[in-house]
Amino acid sequence: GQSLEQPSEVTAVEGAIVQINCTYQTSGFYGLSWYQQHDGGAPTFLSYNALDGLEETGRFSSFLSRSDSYGYLLLQELQMKDSASYFCAVKVNGQNFVFGPGTRLSVLP
Amino acid sequence: EAQVTQNPRYLITVTGKKLTVTCSQNMNHEYMSWYRQDPGLGLRQIYYSMNVEVTDKGDVPEGYKVSRKEKRNFPLILESPSPNQTSLYFCASSNGGSPYEQYFGPGTRLTVT
Repeated sequence: GQSLEQPSEVTAVEGAIVQINCTYQTSGFYGLSWYQQHDGGAPTFLSYNALDGLEETGRFSSFLSRSDSYGYLLLQELQMKDSASYFCAVKVNGQNFVFGPGTRLSVLP
Repeated sequence: EAQVTQNPRYLITVTGKKLTVTCSQNMNHEYMSWYRQDPGLGLRQIYYSMNVEVTDKGDVPEGYKVSRKEKRNFPLILESPSPNQTSLYFCASSNGGSPYEQYFGPGTRLTVT
């Protein structure tokens, strides 16, 4: 079977740093990607890691440890507009993706 | 404007009445996928296509069909919809050089009564 685990909810204040973890158990692994989805909207791509280590894209960074089957998304200098759901997704093979259940981030003033 | 479009955006239908949800992208992407999203379950891939006439099952293909006759279009067909197919459906596309960077359509909310 395939499973990805993420915390269901995270709350933080404006200006803070928050980390959203993702652990996975999948039949194959080609990389881990992250998506943001605002209420009523479509998912939008944030970042991906195919190799171990940290990838930085502006205020967002993503980390992967393949030996631990673990990754995280780091959001810095949180803004109100970052309130959304965040999904990790594993590329299992070909173009087959398995998504996690999502983490709802609430940013408080 | 680069985009993925889906039609219809909202659909209410009855059990057993065949329907098609269209998906089109104008980015010349090789890869296209269909997902369904249900509360607490995230997105689950139904089918994907890596090129024209090349399609493969995702994790929840039962009750769905797809076709890829043209590069830009990837329709989702429900030949005999059932209430458990009530969901929010997303089409997505990506190019071969950046397969992880999927561009999603606006979604189609389907209700089957």
